[in-house]
Amino acid sequence: DQQVKQNSPSLSVQEGRISILNCDYTNSMFDYFLWYKKYPAEGPTFLISISSIKDKNEDGRFTVFLNKSAKHLSLHIVPSQPGDSAVYFCAARNYGQNFVFGPGTRLSVLP
Amino acid sequence: DTAVSQTPKYLVTQMGNDKSIKCEQNLGHDTMYWYKQDSKKFLKIMFSYNNKELIINETVPNRFSPKSPDKAHLNLHINSLELGDSAVYFCASSQRQGVGNTIYFGEGSWLTVV
Repeated sequence: DQQVKQNSPSLSVQEGRISILNCDYTNSMFDYFLWYKKYPAEGPTFLISISSIKDKNEDGRFTVFLNKSAKHLSLHIVPSQPGDSAVYFCAARNYGQNFVFGPGTRLSVLP
Repeated sequence: DTAVSQTPKYLVTQMGNDKSIKCEQNLGHDTMYWYKQDSKKFLKIMFSYNNKELIINETVPNRFSPKSPDKAHLNLHINSLELGDSAVYFCASSQRQGVGNTIYFGEGSWLTVV
């Protein structure tokens, strides 16, 4: 029962272009969402969050969009840089519950 | 200063052994967690623990047990290790469980059971 899905296992983008990472969820009660970035042999590090009362949150080059009706969120990275190459995890939770993580998408930013 | 630190980072051990992974957080958080990243790379929660409550994921075998000597530490004990226990284990913490707060992860402990 996979409540959080990231259907693209990998994504390659040219440096300077936009990277769009997608995440879908099944539980309509999820009210808070996180994106994490993970380099090899390191733990996931927090990138950006969004609450279900918003549809967009921006932090520098990173923007997260939430479409509640579609149960879909996306992470936009503009412009993409080689240092952005990592695995990106989406996570979601219902209030008072633990976060559920997606399987991750490996982003490769090509110079 | 590492916010969430766990040791050892790499551990290779034989089947049947008992091992522990230690975790410490210096963020003053109330809740700590253990996650397992399986072979399919899913991050799945094993335990969450604050001062008052331990919540166990029902799929976790009882060979796994968390032990918390104080609020800043949550160690993971594994008895009678099996080959299928090979995975990366992440410790994490957050200010309060389930209340919109960011989870901070340690760097992971790579466990290999041979």
